[in-house]
Amino acid sequence: DTAVSQTPKYLVTQMGNDKSIKCEQNLGHDTMYWYKQDSKKFLKIMFSYNNKELIINETVPNRFSPKSPDKAHLNLHINSLELGDSAVYFCASSQVDRGRFVDTQYFGPGTRLTVL
Amino acid sequence: AQSVTQPDIHITVSEGASLELRCNYSYGATPYLFWYVQSPGQGLQLLLKYFSGDTLVQGIKGFEAEFKRSQSSFNLRKPSVHWSDAAEYFCAVSGATNKLIFGTGTLLAVQP
Repeated sequence: DTAVSQTPKYLVTQMGNDKSIKCEQNLGHDTMYWYKQDSKKFLKIMFSYNNKELIINETVPNRFSPKSPDKAHLNLHINSLELGDSAVYFCASSQVDRGRFVDTQYFGPGTRLTVL
Repeated sequence: AQSVTQPDIHITVSEGASLELRCNYSYGATPYLFWYVQSPGQGLQLLLKYFSGDTLVQGIKGFEAEFKRSQSSFNLRKPSVHWSDAAEYFCAVSGATNKLIFGTGTLLAVQP
């Protein structure tokens, strides 16, 4: 069973377009994340949602808008795509228990976005 | 500022040889430490983690890591490397915000 899934796996699009990446987790976790991995393999967090509430919002252009319809889904919508948005985007999830605020994050397979 | 340093960008070892990947962190509070592995074209898989307790932690695939607070290090080790271990390895630190901060990764190549 796939724990954290993302669609699509590959996304090739033109500059200026709007696109979405979807993420779903079946682990019953209450917290989900988006990370960006650039061409040098550097991973950086973009957003985090806990029970549909935004709790981490790093310095990300407002062209990027996460949406969480329920705690099992966290989608990433990107407006007016730019060349620099080309990267691999990873979704992750974790369960943040009471009394311990940190737990393991489980990652999806990634979505490779190429902007032409 | 919180940061993770992986000094070795690329390491090559012979199959059957031992392996140590270095990781140093900078974090003001109690760190929660992780090692992830990324095979080509794949997502990140957790190898092991340290939250508290015994400073030597065991992970999957025969990996272990030792937390040394005095050296701000969390080095990953494996006594005998297999060809299938060739991948990119990431060290990461997290705190109360649950935000993972990653190192730049170490690419491991395994020679037959």
